[in-house]
Amino acid sequence: EIVLTQSPGTLSLSPGERATLSCRASQSVTSSYLAWYQQKPGQAPRLLIYSASSRATGIPDRFSGSGSGTDFTLTISRLEPEDFAVYYCQQYGSSPILTFGPGTKVDIK
Amino acid sequence: EVQLVESGGGLVQPGGSLRLSCAASGFTFNDYTLHWVRQAPGKGLEWVSGVSWNSGTIGYADSVKGRFTISRDNAKNSLYLQMNSLRADDTALYYCAKNLWSSYYRSAMDVWGQGTTVTVSS
Repeated sequence: EIVLTQSPGTLSLSPGERATLSCRASQSVTSSYLAWYQQKPGQAPRLLIYSASSRATGIPDRFSGSGSGTDFTLTISRLEPEDFAVYYCQQYGSSPILTFGPGTKVDIK
Repeated sequence: EVQLVESGGGLVQPGGSLRLSCAASGFTFNDYTLHWVRQAPGKGLEWVSGVSWNSGTIGYADSVKGRFTISRDNAKNSLYLQMNSLRADDTALYYCAKNLWSSYYRSAMDVWGQGTTVTVSS
């Protein structure tokens, strides 16, 4: 089973700042099959990024993903008020077992 | 509109059983892998189980293997999760989620339901 580690656990930033979130895998993620999700309180998760760097439909271009192998990054170029949320990475390369990271909370400084 | 609606949650005693359902609409159900993902109160997301479009590929998290069974009925556009030998640490909001890509098991999940709550307590 691939274990995902996310850092930092909490990121305190102000609107307009840049956010950089990290996701590290315990072994290489096949074909960069890594996704990022955003979750706000009381809501279901929303897919932001798939295949490490492809934006899902309707996701603003201030969200970008990068990385390969075991190290992946989600970048939010300029934080908007609606971006303060919890972000999860997920790998789907090791079929049939999928795993999520523990999450990074982005809160308002 | 693509929609997933979970049902079947509730309060159950430790050791008991529960069957969750997920009703799908707005897409060609039998083309897509579907998953169950849970979230314990105040905790992160945990993938529970997934089933491919033809039930040929099925996976379970180690935490539920041997106790939970996933299944689907393509004629009814429905996904199920039979949960047996329930424990307190199975208490969570259970989401049904659909794959982004059709015909592949390995895919991100692009559509999620709103979840159904399972509480295991005496």
